[in-house]
Amino acid sequence: AQSVTQLGSHVSVSEGALVLLRCNYSSSVPPYLFWYVQYPNQGLQLLLKYTSAATLVKGINGFEAEFKKSETSFHLTKPSAHMSDAAEYFCAVNPMPNFGNEKLTFGTGTRLTIIP
Amino acid sequence: GAVVSQHPSRVICKSGTSVKIECRSLDFQATTMFWYRQFPKQSLMLMATSNEGSKATYEQGVEKDKFLINHASLTLSTLTVTSAHPEDSSFYICSASLRGSYEQYFGPGTRLTVT
Repeated sequence: AQSVTQLGSHVSVSEGALVLLRCNYSSSVPPYLFWYVQYPNQGLQLLLKYTSAATLVKGINGFEAEFKKSETSFHLTKPSAHMSDAAEYFCAVNPMPNFGNEKLTFGTGTRLTIIP
Repeated sequence: GAVVSQHPSRVICKSGTSVKIECRSLDFQATTMFWYRQFPKQSLMLMATSNEGSKATYEQGVEKDKFLINHASLTLSTLTVTSAHPEDSSFYICSASLRGSYEQYFGPGTRLTVT
């Protein structure tokens, strides 16, 4: 069963515009949620994470995400896009952290392109 | 902190040979390491989970005899692709975590090309 869905495999925004990358999850218990960024031919870098504390999470490089239980969403936003934000972004979920699970399930990824 | 390295970053091998990829946690002791495979323009597919000193747990559909995983210490895990074939060509990424932290730290990946 799909645990995390990223809507939009490709997103293009103009430099300086708002970035919104969508992520919805399915979990019967409170999950832990993560956003990672991947630059070409590199590993993944953690942008931010939600682990049942504050629902609005601030991460690196000006990104933030809000956990909305009612909408089962964890969308990633940035007020003003920079050229350096162009990369692949992955949403990931640990659906059962309180049961000792450490495995992550990744979404299919969203490629962000910044238009000069 | 929390740096994970992989070696080699790129490797080309001939069909039928074996290749070993190393994953090291440089500044922490990783109780669990994960191995992923990523096809071009696709997401990460978890191959196996390994805990130090015990056998790896493979995901469904992953051939454990083909992808040998050894987690001999708290800072080193290895993935050996045995009798490699062109269809094994892929980007292999490892990650490491501390028990209870629920956060995975990723290596830079290894690009394997089998000719």
